[in-house]
Amino acid sequence: SAVISQKPSRDICQRGTSLTIQCQVDSQVTMMFWYRQQPGQSLTLIATANQGSEATYESGFVIDKFPISRPNLTFSTLTVSNMSPEDSSIYLCSVVGQGARETQYFGPGTRLLVL
Amino acid sequence: KQEVTQIPAALSVPEGENLVLNCSFTDSAIYNLQWFRQDPGKGLTSLLLIQSSQREQTSGRLNASLDKSSGRSTLYIAASQPGDSATYLCAVKGINNAGNMLTFGGGTRLMVKP
Repeated sequence: SAVISQKPSRDICQRGTSLTIQCQVDSQVTMMFWYRQQPGQSLTLIATANQGSEATYESGFVIDKFPISRPNLTFSTLTVSNMSPEDSSIYLCSVVGQGARETQYFGPGTRLLVL
Repeated sequence: KQEVTQIPAALSVPEGENLVLNCSFTDSAIYNLQWFRQDPGKGLTSLLLIQSSQREQTSGRLNASLDKSSGRSTLYIAASQPGDSATYLCAVKGINNAGNMLTFGGGTRLMVKP
């Protein structure tokens, strides 16, 4: 299994500012994923982050709004830029485990409130 | 485009009852299906993963089945306990998805009353 930690666990931010969320994994993984869970909703994939290449964004998400870094095989950051109240969500980092079963593991999430 | 639906959206049962949560998906070309548990304000805990070639997986009081041809999965919880109260999410990984994307259902919010 993979153990994932995220920082910060929660934050309250002002409109127009930016927040960078960190994700650390206890083992080397090829692909890391960033998801968003808006209040009362299920999870939506924002982007896939591969080490050494540009992140791949899903429809409706753009790099200028959600820049991602992936400097090595155990770490990634997601920045939520120029925030508005609509960005209030839980942001979750996820990785695919090693081995044939490919269980997907999730971090504890970062709960963001934008005022 | 894959769509995943979970029924019911919410469920309240007395402690000790056996219960079934349902998940359906529209595209049967899946790699696997995974069931997660989410406690309020928390991340996701993986419960069971079923590969497309498998029919069911068991872990303790949990049993998940998969009927790929009909696009359905069920999560069976035996002898429910108050500690089982949480939101249960199913997610499918489609063969046609690039990048191993999981498509999630809306979840079933379960409350087990003492």
